[in-house]
Parts: sequence; structure tokens; C-alpha cells
Amino acid sequence: DTAVSQTPKYLVTQMGNDKSIKCEQNLGHDTMYWYKQDSKKFLKIMFSYNNKELIINETVPNRFSPKSPDKAHLNLHINSLELGDSAVYFCASSQGASGGPRELFFGEGSRLTVL
Amino acid sequence: GESVGLHLPTLSVQEGDNSIINCAYSNSASDYFIWYKQESGKGPQFIIDIRSNMDKRQGQRVTVLLNKTVKHLSLQIAATQPGDSAVYFCAETSTDSWGKLQFGAGTQVVVTP
Repeated sequence: DTAVSQTPKYLVTQMGNDKSIKCEQNLGHDTMYWYKQDSKKFLKIMFSYNNKELIINETVPNRFSPKSPDKAHLNLHINSLELGDSAVYFCASSQGASGGPRELFFGEGSRLTVL
Repeated sequence: GESVGLHLPTLSVQEGDNSIINCAYSNSASDYFIWYKQESGKGPQFIIDIRSNMDKRQGQRVTVLLNKTVKHLSLQIAATQPGDSAVYFCAETSTDSWGKLQFGAGTQVVVTP
């Protein structure tokens, strides 16, 4: 059973296109995240949702729009893709912060290549 | 072997030896720290965590040490095995930051026979 699953695993597209990555977690967690990992393996948070509410929105171009239809799903839509958007995007989830922060559970990643 | 995880350095360790991976964190308000392991083509996997009210925590073959005075974290892996080859990340967060984990740059560990 995959705890955090994201699709697609690989995505190759042209500059200027719009694409989406989907994420689902079956852990019953109430908080979900999107992280971006660049070519140097640096992981940086982009967004976080708690019970469908946006709680973290880092300095990310507004071409990136997350959407959480319910607490088990967090999708990422990217408009007008640019070369610099090429990266691996990781979805993650965690249990709520009451009682202190908890570890994040990560998906396998979605490798986006913009040509 | 020993390394500082700032620019994705590589730590080469002989199978059976102990590994030490170091991490300097930046935020003095951070009160929760995690070590993650990332194998090639996979997502980061939780190894061990520690809260700021502790200075040492042990797991199976792993030990995390926390020195809040100098804002330093280390991960010790005992009897390193080939399956330990991966990139290791330290991450920090604070209770009031909604689990926003800030990751270090990572250290590549290569286990040689």
C-alpha cells in the first residue's frame, strides 16, 4: 500500500505549456505539502495545506497554483512552464501540529523536465 | 568517516565502519529535528528525529546527537552497510511553524566493500 502517491512520475513538456501533478495520501493525515528538489538535491518547501486550508505559501511564482479538494489530496498546477521549473516535485503529508511537529512522509517524486 | 553537509559532499565509508554525518542548522528557535535518507529515484525516508529537550536519541544502528549551544546535529550510523548508500538530509522546524521543514543541503554517503 502506497502511503503518499503522486502522478505522473515523469513529465516532459515544452516551455509555455500548462501541467498538473496529483498527490494523494492514505495515512489519514490532515496536512499536506509540496516541496521542490533542484538539480543539486536541495529541497525547498513550496506550499502546505491543513484540512484544505492554505497555511504555508513560500515565495513561489503565481504560475504555481495548489489545490486541495479534500484533506487526502493536494494537486499542483503549473501554468506557462519555464526552463527553470525543471526539478523533482515531492508531495508529503504529516499529522497535525497539535502536540508538536511530526515527521513528513514523502511520495516518490514527480520529475518535471521542461524543454 | 565524517562530513559536514553543506554542499552535498560525498562521504566514503568502508562497509562495517561507522559513519558520522554532520549538520549545522540555522534557526535557534527550531525545536524539532529530523534525519532523512533519500535513495536514488525515491523520496526522502524518515530515519530518526529528536526534540530540543533531548541531546541524544538512539534507533536501530543510528544515533542522533543534538548540540543546541552550537546549533549542530549529527547522525551516526553503526556498522555501515551497502544499503546505507544514499543522500542524507537533516531538517529543522519549530512548533509554531506548521511543520514547515527546512532542509540542509544533504550529504552523499557511498559505502565501499
